[in-house]
Amino acid sequence: EIVLTQSPGTLSLSPGERATLSCRASQSVSSNFLAWYQQKPGQAPRLLIYGASSRATGIPDRFSGSGSGTDFTLTISRLEPEDFAVYYCQQYGLSPTASHTWTFGQGTKVEIK
Amino acid sequence: EVQLVESGGGLVQPGGSLRLSCTASGFTFINYWMHWVRQVPGKGLVWVSRFNNDGNTGYADSVKGRFTISRDNSKNTVWLQMNGLRAEDTAVYYCARGGPGCFDLWGRGTLVTVSS
Repeated sequence: EIVLTQSPGTLSLSPGERATLSCRASQSVSSNFLAWYQQKPGQAPRLLIYGASSRATGIPDRFSGSGSGTDFTLTISRLEPEDFAVYYCQQYGLSPTASHTWTFGQGTKVEIK
Repeated sequence: EVQLVESGGGLVQPGGSLRLSCTASGFTFINYWMHWVRQVPGKGLVWVSRFNNDGNTGYADSVKGRFTISRDNSKNTVWLQMNGLRAEDTAVYYCARGGPGCFDLWGRGTLVTVSS
């Protein structure tokens, strides 16, 4: 099973600052199948980025994704007050037994400094 | 409105059963894979089960043999039958839409608490 490790665990920043979140995979992930989600307290996750770099419908262009292989990054160019939340990366792949698998990172909390 | 609405959560004793429902609206249900993803409060997200749009199903190892996913395309509904529940199954269960790849639409979730 591919393990996704996100860093840092918590990012303390001020509105207007740039946020850079990392997601590292234990083995290579297809860029087609790497996604990022935002989750606010008491709410369901919301898809931000799919295919490593494509923004989902309605997602502002201050959110961008990049990376390939085992290293992926979510960047928020200028933090807005509504961006303070927990962010998860997620990958899809096939296991050695050809089972479909979906795994998430443990999350990065972006908090107001 | 495009949405997923879950129901059926609640308090159940260890070893008990519960059936979660997820009803979809606003999109062509038959075209999509449907999933259940769970989250222990304050913790991360864990994929639980899927039902493809071609009839195939899949389960996380932690629930295999205890949980069963089903769907009725005429009712735009997917269910998760959970048997042999354990304390570690306590979580918010989300219904999510997606194919292989990512989950592009989520319900608000339903809380399952397994406790005596």
